[in-house]
Amino acid sequence: EAGVAQSPRYKIIEKRQSVAFWCNPISGHATLYWYQQILGQGPKLLIQFQNNGVVDDSQLPKDRFSAERLKGVDSTLKIQPAKLEDSAVYLCASSHGTDQPQHFGDGTRLSIL
Amino acid sequence: GDSVTQMEGPVTLSEEAFLTINCTYTATGYPSLFWYVQYPGEGLQLLLKATKADDKGSNKGFEATYRKETTSFHLEKGSVQVSDSAVYFCALSDRGNYQLIWGAGTKLIIKP
Repeated sequence: EAGVAQSPRYKIIEKRQSVAFWCNPISGHATLYWYQQILGQGPKLLIQFQNNGVVDDSQLPKDRFSAERLKGVDSTLKIQPAKLEDSAVYLCASSHGTDQPQHFGDGTRLSIL
Repeated sequence: GDSVTQMEGPVTLSEEAFLTINCTYTATGYPSLFWYVQYPGEGLQLLLKATKADDKGSNKGFEATYRKETTSFHLEKGSVQVSDSAVYFCALSDRGNYQLIWGAGTKLIIKP
């Protein structure tokens, strides 16, 4: 089966600019996650969707980050405006359900200048 | 709250050496435990898991046993290869919301 697809793989922007990431989960996976992984740390959950509804966005900096999964399939994560501390790898993962193993995409590496 | 602690890296070994990466956890309930591996430039891959005490997860020559009495889930491999060089993450899944709590990762470097 095809894995979790993410794009772009790399993105370089200046602070205060906007950026968007896209994720297409494994077909049939109802649960979708966005993580932020700062260099040398484990992933930090930003938001979790179940179909097109938000299950948990308690760690999403809502003043600058937004995410949507309108049709319950692919998802976009947006940062506006970006700050230097947003430099990280943004990982998307999906699973059949909340009690199933998560499958990860290769991530988007974001660098803020 | 729940937490995962891993041994700090990098861990540097010669090919065919025995590997142990320590992982201990703190949890109020009975979590499921996981090891994920991240190869350079790639996303995280599930390596193995265990869902209850005394379960042993295994995959690709790696093993880990869920030890409730010591709250540990140490990763072991009898003979490592250069291709095992990666970052290894220990994680637990809280049975309440099934969200993953991650360790900081341990970088493994295998020299030929």
